[in-house]
Amino acid sequence: DTAVSQTPKYLVTQMGNDKSIKCEQNLGHDTMYWYKQDSKKFLKIMFSYNNKELIINETVPNRFSPKSPDKAHLNLHINSLELGDSAVYFCASGYGQAYSTDTQYFGPGTRLTVL
Amino acid sequence: RKEVEQDPGPFNVPEGATVAFNCTYSNSASQSFFWYRQDCRKEPKLLMSVYSSGNEDGRFTAQLNRASQYISLLIRDSKLSDSATYLCVVIYNTGGFKTIFGAGTRLFVKA
Repeated sequence: DTAVSQTPKYLVTQMGNDKSIKCEQNLGHDTMYWYKQDSKKFLKIMFSYNNKELIINETVPNRFSPKSPDKAHLNLHINSLELGDSAVYFCASGYGQAYSTDTQYFGPGTRLTVL
Repeated sequence: RKEVEQDPGPFNVPEGATVAFNCTYSNSASQSFFWYRQDCRKEPKLLMSVYSSGNEDGRFTAQLNRASQYISLLIRDSKLSDSATYLCVVIYNTGGFKTIFGAGTRLFVKA
């Protein structure tokens, strides 16, 4: 069974479009994350949700809106896509900020290309 | 100064070699440390935690130096399959625990 799954795996779209990426975890974790990994391979946290509540929002443009219908799902919606949004987006889950030993489990990533 | 810094490499080593990576962190309140591995076009996966007394897992040894604020990863008897990017991860307390990933060190092991 896949612990953290994301769909789609690849997403190619035009500038200005709106798109969504879905993430689900079956590990029973309370916390889920979205990371962006750009062409320089630097993994940057975007958002963190704990039990459906937003915990971290790291200076991300408001075109990016996460939505957590329940603690097993954290979806990412992006409005008005720009060329600079092209990257790999990773979803992850873990026990969260209450734990100093939080190990994070990552989904396989969604490779977004904006043309 | 970045919160977590790593030498990006790449490190090119022959099979069987011993290779070491260092990672420095800036926040002295950092509490937990990890090494993750990321294969090309794959997601990061936990390789090992780093404990204060140092710890070993097979060919991999991780060490922590709190005084100098760095952690290290030593790989002995390198295998071709060790080729990957190794990410240093630090968790520190900022009212809640925050996880910071380093940019990674790229390793190529060649036959």
